[in-house]
Amino acid sequence: AQTVTQSQPEMSVQEAETVTLSCTYDTSESDYYLFWYKQPPSRQMILVIRQEAYKQQNATENRFSVNFQKAAKSFSLKISDSQLGDAAMYFCAYRRNYGGSQGNLIFGKGTKLSVKP
Amino acid sequence: ETGVTQTPRHLVMGMTNKKSLKCEQHLGHNAMYWYKQSAKKPLELMFVYNFKEQTENNSVPSRFSPECPNSSHLFLHLHTLQPEDSALYLCASSQDTDRGFEAFFGQGTRLTVV
Repeated sequence: AQTVTQSQPEMSVQEAETVTLSCTYDTSESDYYLFWYKQPPSRQMILVIRQEAYKQQNATENRFSVNFQKAAKSFSLKISDSQLGDAAMYFCAYRRNYGGSQGNLIFGKGTKLSVKP
Repeated sequence: ETGVTQTPRHLVMGMTNKKSLKCEQHLGHNAMYWYKQSAKKPLELMFVYNFKEQTENNSVPSRFSPECPNSSHLFLHLHTLQPEDSALYLCASSQDTDRGFEAFFGQGTRLTVV
């Protein structure tokens, strides 16, 4: 069974600085997707960034980028120029690319990010 | 407007009550999901519906009963719940269950069972 592990329950970063959140996963599949979701106090989960496993290039969305190491099954999120609005729970998630109806998201336990002014 | 709307936002119910959670999506998606989010635990997938058909029941107790009358609406009927069922219940939708389509989430219903 696939699993997703986030080893950092909490992280803190100074405003305008850079922070990296860690995520590792376990799967025997070769074709899958990885996601980072953000859950602010409003509780709504918002997609931050997505990575397709068959793409070697790391995904980037403005201040958010990932370091995808397929062999190591590692998928870390880097937030540059941190802003107060980045404070939230961040969840790493995995979804296999399957021809049937089993492409369900599997989440890690989350990392709570605090941003200090 | 988030695209996925859940009501109510908060619910307190006794163990003998019957209540329902509602989810509605305005995104034209075909797949809808119920997740349970408890403190310090990963999100737990409960049910998956694709084109109105239930495709997954993740060993959820029968006191939780889903209903999907059409691709835009999803309900979770609750009866004789236990205090450990208190959690945030999140609804999500996606274009399909295949090919890594991203899931869009509602803001959740905070359920407290007393």
